[in-house]
Amino acid sequence: QIQLVQSGPELKKPGESVKISCKASGYTFTDYAMHWVKQAPGKGLKWMGWINTYTGKPTYADDFKGRFVFSLEASASTANLQISNLKNEDTATYFCARGLQWSHWGQGVMVTVSS
Amino acid sequence: VLVTQTPSSLPVSLGDQASISCKSSKSLVHNNGITYLAWFLQKPGQLPQSLIHTVSNRFSGVPDRFSGSGSVSDFTLKISRVEPEDLGVYYCLQYVHYPYTFGAGTKLELK
Repeated sequence: QIQLVQSGPELKKPGESVKISCKASGYTFTDYAMHWVKQAPGKGLKWMGWINTYTGKPTYADDFKGRFVFSLEASASTANLQISNLKNEDTATYFCARGLQWSHWGQGVMVTVSS
Repeated sequence: VLVTQTPSSLPVSLGDQASISCKSSKSLVHNNGITYLAWFLQKPGQLPQSLIHTVSNRFSGVPDRFSGSGSVSDFTLKISRVEPEDLGVYYCLQYVHYPYTFGAGTKLELK
């Protein structure tokens, strides 16, 4: 069956970097885009952007340009999200979700940024 | 594109019908003629569950008490008879215009 399995929770200090992963199984990885979604504690869902899993081309929402990088390890059917120079407001759960129709989601990764 | 979801809270009794509205500030009809509006349910501490895509198409395994309707910029999710497992926060999503935008959410809860 189709699954998106994300890496484990992270506790980081301001200014550090974090890389979280989303491993896909049960389908051909390069057939579907991968979206990234942020959910701050107690808040709603916010689209961060997506990556074309065939070409590797990322597209970022304006609020996520600069410190955020989407990448792939296509041979491992894995999409990654790296956040650099972490800020307190990056504390959130980050989900990956399979495009085009958003049919499947990862379980989410809680990233806590605290000094 | 602004997506306005109402109500923010919807108290119901089990067995009631529930209706959630999602209105966008622009048409969600793509140049290819397809309307890209989806609905999700998120229970506390869980990942969002995908319910409906392209306005009215239920994902496999989604009960038929869930139905999506609407066109252009005005959409509705209906639950015909609310069951306990339907409680949680519902979100709509427009995925035709960048940046894709979610509604603020509707909390379906017991009266």
